[in-house]
Amino acid sequence: DVKVTQSSRYLVKRTGEKVFLECVQDMDHENMFWYRQDPGLGLRLIYFSYDVKMKEKGDIPEGYSVSREKKERFSLILESASTNQTSMYLCASSLLSREAFFGQGTRLTVV
Amino acid sequence: ELKVEQNPLFLSMQEGKNYTIYCNYSTTSDRLYWYRQDPGKSLESLFVLLSNGAVKQEGRLMASLDTKARLSTLHITAAVHDLSATYFCAVESYDKLIFGTGTRLQVFP
Repeated sequence: DVKVTQSSRYLVKRTGEKVFLECVQDMDHENMFWYRQDPGLGLRLIYFSYDVKMKEKGDIPEGYSVSREKKERFSLILESASTNQTSMYLCASSLLSREAFFGQGTRLTVV
Repeated sequence: ELKVEQNPLFLSMQEGKNYTIYCNYSTTSDRLYWYRQDPGKSLESLFVLLSNGAVKQEGRLMASLDTKARLSTLHITAAVHDLSATYFCAVESYDKLIFGTGTRLQVFP
């Protein structure tokens, strides 16, 4: 079975902190994605990566950056957390043109 | 910019009834996916539709894709309570995977 693991289920951070969300997949997938999910807005793509060290902006990249140093790991970084970044963050991975598999999600609260 | 729209956003239906969820998208793509999300859980893949005219069925759910109309449908037959969840369609374009806003389905006795 494909496994996508996110480092934390729940996280509480203070405004202005630098926040790292980690995602690891064990199926050698090329593509990895970071989404945020908010009520009424569905899943919005923040960043995605199709290979090591490659990254592409999604629809809402402002305030975020990503890192993919190894194929299995894709990190989302909030450079200076703000309250409007309180959300559920979902990581996913996929092979090219195949369905994506999701992690369990990280519910981040910025206070 | 690729936009994906689902309707309805919320659907309350009685057990035993049929209904269809619609997914429209704005640019050319021949890869569309349907996912299910239960409350408090992550997303689970339901269907992968990879060509025009593709139809997939699993139990009481059937998904189809019309790439010319840029439309996919998820048809529910004789709904049961276990189908209560949020359903998302997602469209792939240039390696991006863009999701619709989701349809929250509630099935009541």
